[in-house]
Amino acid sequence: GAVVSQHPSWVICKSGTSVKIECRSLDFQATTMFWYRQFPKQSLMLMATSNEGSKATYEQGVEKDKFLINHASLTLSTLTVTSAHPEDSSFYICSATEGQETQYFGPGTRLLVL
Amino acid sequence: GQNIDQPTEMTATEGAIVQINCTYQTSGFNGLFWYQQHAGEAPTFLSYNVLDGLEEKGRFSSFLSRSKGYSYLLLKELQMKDSASYLCAVRPTGANNLFFGTGTRLTVIP
Repeated sequence: GAVVSQHPSWVICKSGTSVKIECRSLDFQATTMFWYRQFPKQSLMLMATSNEGSKATYEQGVEKDKFLINHASLTLSTLTVTSAHPEDSSFYICSATEGQETQYFGPGTRLLVL
Repeated sequence: GQNIDQPTEMTATEGAIVQINCTYQTSGFNGLFWYQQHAGEAPTFLSYNVLDGLEEKGRFSSFLSRSKGYSYLLLKELQMKDSASYLCAVRPTGANNLFFGTGTRLTVIP
């Protein structure tokens, strides 16, 4: 149980384009989903917290207009990186919880912006 | 603010025991988690402590002292596949999110 998937696992795009990453909880209803970013050899940095049916809560320093988060159902959240630039290249990881339980992580999406 | 400290790197021998420490100062506390992360992969859940004491799960144990803001992860009978980063994360009061330490990169040598 407690499986979280992400799609795509790898994406390469040109600077200025937008990229959408999907995060799904496969066998449980995720009341809350989290989006993290991880640069090489660094730890996970929380970007935003997303509750189903409400607006995401962004961490300080994360631009909400650049990183659009939609949590339309209890099993799906999406992160859209708008007008991506090379400095947005990173490993994006989502996690999901059911209530106050443990966070389970997706396999991550590696984004490379050329 | 949140401050979570772990050693950056550790090396240990196959078959041995290693202890990875984590100290934290956070605004509120509602649980401490340990995750394992292999290079290029997402973290996988190892353990969770919310009360003081030791939680044992096979070769892995985790200890918590809330009064000292301190936890450790103990790995016994080390195997080569245990080479990974180990992340300490704290959940603040009244929230579901986690704050992560920088992680400890463990290398197991023959």
